[in-house]
Amino acid sequence: QKEVEQNSGPLSVPEGAIASLNCTYSDRGSQSFFWYRQYSGKSPELIMSIYSNGDKEDGRFTAQLNKASQYVSLLIRDSQPSDSATYLCAVYSGGGADGLTFGKGTHLIIQP
Amino acid sequence: GAGVSQTPSNKVTEKGKYVELRCDPISGHTALYWYRQSLGQGPEFLIYFQGTGAADDSGLPNDRFFAVRPEGSVSTLKIQRTERGDSAVYLCASSLHGGSAGELFFGEGSRLTVL
Repeated sequence: QKEVEQNSGPLSVPEGAIASLNCTYSDRGSQSFFWYRQYSGKSPELIMSIYSNGDKEDGRFTAQLNKASQYVSLLIRDSQPSDSATYLCAVYSGGGADGLTFGKGTHLIIQP
Repeated sequence: GAGVSQTPSNKVTEKGKYVELRCDPISGHTALYWYRQSLGQGPEFLIYFQGTGAADDSGLPNDRFFAVRPEGSVSTLKIQRTERGDSAVYLCASSLHGGSAGELFFGEGSRLTVL
């Protein structure tokens, strides 16, 4: 059973601070890693993808991957109230199972 | 169309009834996915189509669930003899090619309520 674990939160962060979201996964053979943002009542939208160890930056967002520790994180710098949402970690394992496995998501609240 | 379109947006039915949910993916996307999301949970994979064929249906919970994509575009998820536990938001997503590098574009979902 492939599992993706996230702290459900809520994680409360003051506006302008750095929000740090974490995710662990069970399948050591996992190949690709994604962060989706989901506003309440809306569908998930992709904000970051990462495929190799290290950091990947895109604007205020940085994804970090450590395959040895089976750990993925998302940092949001200069947090804005509009960043308040649920952040879903998703993992692709391949090997014939072509669907992404999602975590339960972390509910992030940015306090003005 | 511009995005993934799902109909109906809301469906209320009675236990034991048959339900069809429709998904129209982004034009040109060969990969189509169905997910189910319950309150407070992440999306749960149901089935993946590459073209017309179901490449991976390992997530379908039981034989009451079936999905088709006869012409490689629109897909229909069919649920027979609905149960209260089937209540959830059913999300459809498409991607250009599928596989590990494909970004998934989600529709707004079909909220199914089984009374």
